[in-house]
Amino acid sequence: GENVEQHPSTLSVQEGDSAVIKCTYSDSASNYFPWYKQELGKGPQLIIDIRSNVGEKKDQRIAVTLNKTAKHFSLHITETQPEDSAVYFCAARSNNAGNMLTFGGGTRLMVKP
Amino acid sequence: EAGVTQSPTHLIKTRGQQATLRCSPISGHTSVYWYQQALGLGLQFLLWYDEGEERNRGNFPPRFSGRQFPNYSSELNVNALELEDSALYLCASTPWGYGYTFGSGTRLTVV
Repeated sequence: GENVEQHPSTLSVQEGDSAVIKCTYSDSASNYFPWYKQELGKGPQLIIDIRSNVGEKKDQRIAVTLNKTAKHFSLHITETQPEDSAVYFCAARSNNAGNMLTFGGGTRLMVKP
Repeated sequence: EAGVTQSPTHLIKTRGQQATLRCSPISGHTSVYWYQQALGLGLQFLLWYDEGEERNRGNFPPRFSGRQFPNYSSELNVNALELEDSALYLCASTPWGYGYTFGSGTRLTVV
């Protein structure tokens, strides 16, 4: 089945700096890659997603890039703010895996004011 | 538009008991997914329901089961509870296999 690796597990940045989180996946049939933000005591919130026919997608300070050949995708957050502090999860969906999302292990992002 | 709602928010059970968790998807969403998130760990896929049928299940024992009702709401049942079943149980719904929306979860504690 699909396997998703996420790095780093923790990331600390200064307010205003950029943050990058990287994920790799194993199943070449995966075609949908969402990113989720989870704050303490809450469920994961979808912040951006990308489909396999697109190489890059941007939404204000957040962008995601996808390299299908290398089977990796990344989340880029620019001009980080303290409220960006949370755990971020990447995920991949493969038609071979029954349509469910396979998640990476998560990255705890801490933005220092 | 109301989001995915889960109940109860918290649930405390004794080892060996049964737990029932409930999920109401976003209106119009026919697929419901259940995930387990143990403390400090990632999300592990449990079950997928679509149009009232179980479509796929993750690597969990049979004492984890559930169902989906005609109105697309779903319940997750965990029988013979074990201490390691303590976790946050999350439900997500999606209309077309994209844009999965999660609820806030049910925190199950087994003592």
